[in-house]
Amino acid sequence: GQQLNQSPQSMFIQEGEDVSMNCTSSSIFNTWLWYKQDPGEGPVLLIALYKAGELTSNGRLTAQFGITRKDSFLNISASIPSDVGIYFCAGLSNAGNNRKLIWGLGTSLAVNP
Amino acid sequence: DAGVIQSPRHEVTEMGQEVTLRCKLISGHNSLFWYRQTMMRGLELLIYFNNNVPIDDSGMPEDRFSAKMPNASFSTLKIQPSEPRDSAVYFCASREGNSYGYTFGSGTRLTVV
Repeated sequence: GQQLNQSPQSMFIQEGEDVSMNCTSSSIFNTWLWYKQDPGEGPVLLIALYKAGELTSNGRLTAQFGITRKDSFLNISASIPSDVGIYFCAGLSNAGNNRKLIWGLGTSLAVNP
Repeated sequence: DAGVIQSPRHEVTEMGQEVTLRCKLISGHNSLFWYRQTMMRGLELLIYFNNNVPIDDSGMPEDRFSAKMPNASFSTLKIQPSEPRDSAVYFCASREGNSYGYTFGSGTRLTVV
């Protein structure tokens, strides 16, 4: 099925560093969501974006909805060990009658204390 | 609220056996989604229900998979007969109204040997 292109696939960083990851699509989306999945758990919603150009923060996390509506990025500032996990982007299109979330394959983040 | 509750957390079964996965929604949520997660394919939507009615089952792999929602708070996903390629983590998620934030359960890790 349709998927988003999420990059990078994995990152290994030092504690305190900033992190940036992004998602791109060939299709337009009306909503972008960013989730985090801890080991052994289900994904948890971090940030939701509803308008092109929107920039939203949640603590050390900042996400933006691209102007073209075909991309989004997530930044994490001053990373800490508990940021470890898999980060997923998901897009929602209003095209047709089937409003399903389309998911990226995730960015796996490892933080070295 | 206890969140979305899935059982069992782990299931190991032999090929050919029937497997039933269970999900209890958050009270007041009216949409239910079953996902399968693998390393190769990421999160795949299998089926979703709205107000107990199946809306889209196009992601169900084949006739061996079936899902039911007998009431507003409970759903089952059944695989009969199970095959090794069904091994994955199965998540259910619920949603309130038309909100975009899905709440995921902790998943069932299924291993078919």
